[in-house]
Parts: sequence; structure tokens; C-alpha cells
Amino acid sequence: NAGVTQTPKFRVLKTGQSMTLLCAQDMNHEYMYWYRQDPGMGLRLIHYSVGEGTTAKGEVPDGYNVSRLKKQNFLLGLESAAPSQTSVYFCASSYELRGDGYTFGSGTRLTVV
Amino acid sequence: GEDVEQSLFLSVREGDSSVINCTYTDSSSTYLYWYKQEPGAGLQLLTYIFSNMDMKQDQRLTVLLNKKDKHLSLRIADTQTGDSAIYFCAEFFPSNDYKLSFGAGTTVTVRA
Repeated sequence: NAGVTQTPKFRVLKTGQSMTLLCAQDMNHEYMYWYRQDPGMGLRLIHYSVGEGTTAKGEVPDGYNVSRLKKQNFLLGLESAAPSQTSVYFCASSYELRGDGYTFGSGTRLTVV
Repeated sequence: GEDVEQSLFLSVREGDSSVINCTYTDSSSTYLYWYKQEPGAGLQLLTYIFSNMDMKQDQRLTVLLNKKDKHLSLRIADTQTGDSAIYFCAEFFPSNDYKLSFGAGTTVTVRA
């Protein structure tokens, strides 16, 4: 089925380790986003991309890096994981910036110990 | 400002109506959205309203917008157990670089 696929679904990291979360969409969407979801805080935008080869900082970008080398993929990297990065991460894509066109992935639950 | 606030929990009896409330601060919002998140899943768009509208109805869902008070509500008629989920209010406005701002989410529990 068409949509947004996130890998992995679960991961446990030790403090200081690095990892990359992959988001792939097959809807030819221009815009892609990485959010983190924390209890009582809703979704906060980490980074986003308005097209292949572009990235921009969102609300909470510190400690994360992103790349969009191919239109269908948006990678989120943690260079040196910290316990404060324990969260559920959601990727989304959209055909336009308005919120009615967003498709979300099912999330990656990351625990940093 | 771009804060979106929601109450965190709502418990409702099956068959009753649910009303989820949201307040926002940016008067330049153009679109306001309601998303639903079921356990273990991503967010799905439920409905949205354009800022020049007061009300929108879609089957069991009614969205009310009070621009003067910057208040948005979602009413779910005849609430069913499948409506148990987290509901997020979100606003979209140009002064936020055209990005969505989400509330913290309201967890709705439907009891028999």
C-alpha cells in the first residue's frame, strides 16, 4: 500500500551511540518532516525538507541531523544519543505545506539508556 | 505566539457525545485540523476547517470555530469504542513558515 514507511520500529541505544532512522514515501511528495512525540507535549518538529537536496531546522533540531539525497527518502541521524532523545519519532510527507495533505508513518520508538 | 493547548484526558460513555476543546494563540491561522492517533499508529487526518468558517459537519464529526476566542472544538456524536484514541488539534499559519503546530493531544477513553 502507498504510504510512509519508517524503519526501524523499535530501537534501544546506549548513551553516546549513533543511529539513523529511515523514512521512505512512495507518493512522490515534495515535503517531508521528522517529528518527535513526548507525553504531554504533542508533536514537535525536528527538521523538515521542501524538496530533494534541501533540509531546514524545525522547532527542536539540536542533537539531530537530516539528509534528503533522494526525493523519496528522508533520514534522521543521531550522532551521539542522549537519554533526552528517548521518544517516539514520526516521519510525515505531504504534497503541499497545508496539513490536510500529510501522511504519517507509524513511528519509531527509541529508548536511550 | 504559536501555542496550541488542549486538555489531556476525556472519558465518555459509549453512545454519548464527546467534545474535545482546543485553544490557539495565533490569529493568523488559516487552517485548523483534527488528527486521530490510534495506539501504536501514526496520526490520521480526521477533519479540518478553514479559518473563514464557523462550523463544519462530516457524518458524526462537528467542528466549531470561534475566531474571536481562538477556540476550536471537535464533537463526536454517538461515541463508539473505536473512537478511543488520542486527538490532536493543529494549526497552520503563514507566520510559522507554513508549518503545522500541534497541541499536546487529548486522550479519549470510551467506557461501556
